[in-house]
Amino acid sequence: AQKITQTQPGMFVQEKEAVTLDCTYDTSDPSYGLFWYKQPSSGEMIFLIYQGSYDQQNATEGRYSLNFQKARKSANLVISASQLGDSAMYFCAMREGGAGGFKTIFGAGTRLFVKA
Amino acid sequence: GAGVSQSPSNKVTEKGKDVELRCDPISGHTALYWYRQSLGQGLEFLIYFQGNSAPDKSGLPSDRFSAERTGGSVSTLTIQRTQQEDSAVYLCASSSSGRGQPQHFGDGTRLSIL
Repeated sequence: AQKITQTQPGMFVQEKEAVTLDCTYDTSDPSYGLFWYKQPSSGEMIFLIYQGSYDQQNATEGRYSLNFQKARKSANLVISASQLGDSAMYFCAMREGGAGGFKTIFGAGTRLFVKA
Repeated sequence: GAGVSQSPSNKVTEKGKDVELRCDPISGHTALYWYRQSLGQGLEFLIYFQGNSAPDKSGLPSDRFSAERTGGSVSTLTIQRTQQEDSAVYLCASSSSGRGQPQHFGDGTRLSIL
């Protein structure tokens, strides 16, 4: 069965430093996708980055990169050069494929606090 | 362009009443998802549609919850005989076909049961 785990309820990081948010997953489907979303206090959900299970290289989008370790079933988000505006909830999500379509589930989230 | 639209944005109702929440996805998006988010918590999967079909309804909390989608577009989530534990933000998202397509979220409906 699909499962997403984010073990860090809260994280603190100093402005301009890098931070890693953990995400592990479980699936029996060899074909899946992993996503990270940001939810600021305003409540909107913002898509950050995507990694496919067959992708050979780790995904990167600006200051965001995904440390994908397939054998360990982990997909950690790395934010470089943290900014005050990065303070938000961060959710890891997984989508399985197959004949049933594309069900997507989310982890419990990690609240990131960036300190000035 | 137009994003995912949800209505109402806020709904306050008495325990025991029925409520309908509406989601208008981005035009052309075949997949539509409903999630529930309690204050400060993660997103609880409720149901998703591929076209008008719902391949997975396993997340619906009870038989008081139902959802439908018509014309491959608008979806309605109905909660019958509401209970106080139904109070939450209900989020709708849509996406194009394809495993790598991100979800686009609406602003949600904040439901409060008195």
